[in-house]
Amino acid sequence: QVQLVQSGAEVKKPGASVKVSCKASGYTFISYHINWIRRATGQGLEWMGWMDPNSGNRGYAQKFQGRVTLTRSTSISTAYMELSSLRSEDTAIYYCVRTPSGEVDVWGQGTTVTVSS
Amino acid sequence: EIVLTQSPDFQSVTPKEKVTITCRASQNTGSSLHWYQQKPGQSPKLLIKYASQSISGVSSRFSGSGSGTDFTLTINSLEAEDAATYYCHQSSTLPWTFGQGTKVEIK
Repeated sequence: QVQLVQSGAEVKKPGASVKVSCKASGYTFISYHINWIRRATGQGLEWMGWMDPNSGNRGYAQKFQGRVTLTRSTSISTAYMELSSLRSEDTAIYYCVRTPSGEVDVWGQGTTVTVSS
Repeated sequence: EIVLTQSPDFQSVTPKEKVTITCRASQNTGSSLHWYQQKPGQSPKLLIKYASQSISGVSSRFSGSGSGTDFTLTINSLEAEDAATYYCHQSSTLPWTFGQGTKVEIK
C-alpha cells in the first residue's frame, strides 16, 4: 500500500541541526510532490515547504527560509528535511506528506523532534 | 498569508446528531479548501478535497460545501468513531495554512 515512513524521534540541543528522512513506497516516488508540515507543542499545523522529487525544484515558507533544506534521493525513494539552528520553539512533530495537487492524501507517521539543553 | 478560522473550537455531540463545522478564510481561496480528521496519536486523514469532493474509502456521512471564503464540513449521524479533531487547509496560495482545529467529543 501507499505509505511514507519517517525516521525515528530525535533529541537535539539548541543550535544543532536535525535531518528527518521520509521513505516512500507503494507508488512512483517522482510522480508526486512531497511537502513538510509540523505541529509545534501547543500550536496548530504549519506548512514548511515543498519539493518536486522529479525535478528537485523546491520552495520554502518564508518563516523557515535559510534554516530548512529539502532534498531527495530518487534511487531510494526518500525525501529529507533538514532544519538548522534549532531552538526550543522547534520542538514539534514533523510530517512528510504526499500531495497529488493541493490536497494531502498521504501522511507520514510523524517524527518527534525535541530541542532541549 | 491566508488565515483560516474554524468554528466552533469544541463541540460535544450526542451520537446520531448532525455536526457542522465552519471554516472562514481571510481571502478568497476559490475551492482550494480541504478537510482532515485527526485522532489522538495518529496522523491526519483526508476527508474532503476541493471543498466538496468526496474521498474514496471515507464514509458518506462526511460532506463539504462552500467556495470563496466560507466553507462547511458536515458530519451526518455522528458515530462514536468520529470523535476527533477536524482541520481545514487551503492550498490556494503559498504559504499553505490550516485552521486551528475543531475538537468533536461524543457525549
